[in-house]
Amino acid sequence: EPEVTQTPSHQVTQMGQEVILRCVPISNHLYFYWYRQILGQKVEFLVSFYNNEISEKSEIFDDQFSVERPDGSNFTLKIRSTKLEDSAMYFCASSPFGTPQETQYFGPGTRLLVL
Amino acid sequence: AQSVTQPDIHITVSEGASLELRCNYSYGATPYLFWYVQSPGQGLQLLLKYFSGDTLVQGIKGFEAEFKRSQSSFNLRKPSVHWSDAAEYFCAVGAPGANNLFFGTGTRLTVIP
Repeated sequence: EPEVTQTPSHQVTQMGQEVILRCVPISNHLYFYWYRQILGQKVEFLVSFYNNEISEKSEIFDDQFSVERPDGSNFTLKIRSTKLEDSAMYFCASSPFGTPQETQYFGPGTRLLVL
Repeated sequence: AQSVTQPDIHITVSEGASLELRCNYSYGATPYLFWYVQSPGQGLQLLLKYFSGDTLVQGIKGFEAEFKRSQSSFNLRKPSVHWSDAAEYFCAVGAPGANNLFFGTGTRLTVIP
């Protein structure tokens, strides 16, 4: 069964450094998402992406975040200057279409630790 | 705005016992409701979803959930738990016109022999 993959599984970085989290969505899906979960808190929506554009973003997704689909398979989340509070599990998801009824398929997550 | 509450952070049940995980949502209209499960090292996997119609929804792995509008609840149930059900369970809500999901904090299920 096709699945969403994410790399790396764990990343440790110094505050102020840039990180890029990578995701390979399911190949025939059109919508892509990033969510994050700070330890002990809710899974929070960051951004959705369709047709090479951001379709929705939350208040969390400020100027330090960016997303890109650099080629036909990868979907990346870049954090330009990491802060301690960016430490979290980051989940990528994809869905065939962007309607709310569509199942979003999630990857296993990247655990980011900012020191 | 939508929100989801999962009151139980951690639940322990014996293998073979019944299970009910609670989920309460806040939304002005009928939301789209989801239950996801996450096993260690795995992504979130959809167990079931509700949009409309029959308020009792059947999902994978023997799970079911019942939408109760009067209680703003969407509790997940399983009549007989297996050791492999040990995982983190997330309730989520979506809304018409939006493609993002709002999640609860999750309930960690431990199954004892």
